Amino acid sequence: NAGVTQTPKFRVLKTGQSMTLLCAQDMNHEYMYWYRQDPGMGLRLIHYSVGEGTTAKGEVPDGYNVSRLKKQNFLLGLESAAPSQTSVYFCASSYTSAGRGRNQPQHFGDGTRLSIL
Amino acid sequence: AQSVAQPEDQVNVAEGNPLTVKCTYSVSGNPYLFWYVQYPNRGLQFLLKYITGDNLVKGSYGFEAEFNKSQTSFHLKKPSALVSDSALYFCAVRSYTSGTYKYIFGTGTRLKVLA
Repeated sequence: NAGVTQTPKFRVLKTGQSMTLLCAQDMNHEYMYWYRQDPGMGLRLIHYSVGEGTTAKGEVPDGYNVSRLKKQNFLLGLESAAPSQTSVYFCASSYTSAGRGRNQPQHFGDGTRLSIL
Repeated sequence: AQSVAQPEDQVNVAEGNPLTVKCTYSVSGNPYLFWYVQYPNRGLQFLLKYITGDNLVKGSYGFEAEFNKSQTSFHLKKPSALVSDSALYFCAVRSYTSGTYKYIFGTGTRLKVLA
């Protein structure tokens, strides 16, 4: 039972390069989230998705794009990386708001550590 | 606006002593509160939650949390700390905005249990 899997685990980029972070979950969760974690700032929501084919902006969306073409996958893209995007990125998933799943917690991946030089 | 505050960046406690990690919240409506733990190079792991009912909630690894509505607090506690409890702890509140559930996290408290 893999849960939430993030790839890659580590990456170093140069300013201006692009890349895509992949998140995959095998729990049939409807909701998926991308966060960034920076020292002293906790987790900040970048983008989220409430279902296949739908995405929405979170608290800090600038410089990022996302896609959810399949229910189990949620991709986070950086089109032109900047040093300010150096961070640890976490993906999470959870059930929808309805039914037995509505009070369940989020499940997190182990993160992608991204450094931009 | 809904928010969560963890007033302590770090808490030090001796092994075997009781520990408390503080969390206060601000929400409109009924609060749905969560505690997560993060070990080095790992993602957040769910510890416990308060949805409704008893004010004392029991969770994983011997942790419990006390919900206090009048003080708008949800402090994490453990009667006897272990060195292995050393980690980063996050309090979170679930918000409901525009038909969507989102989670708002505190800034985290680093717990150090000293042998």
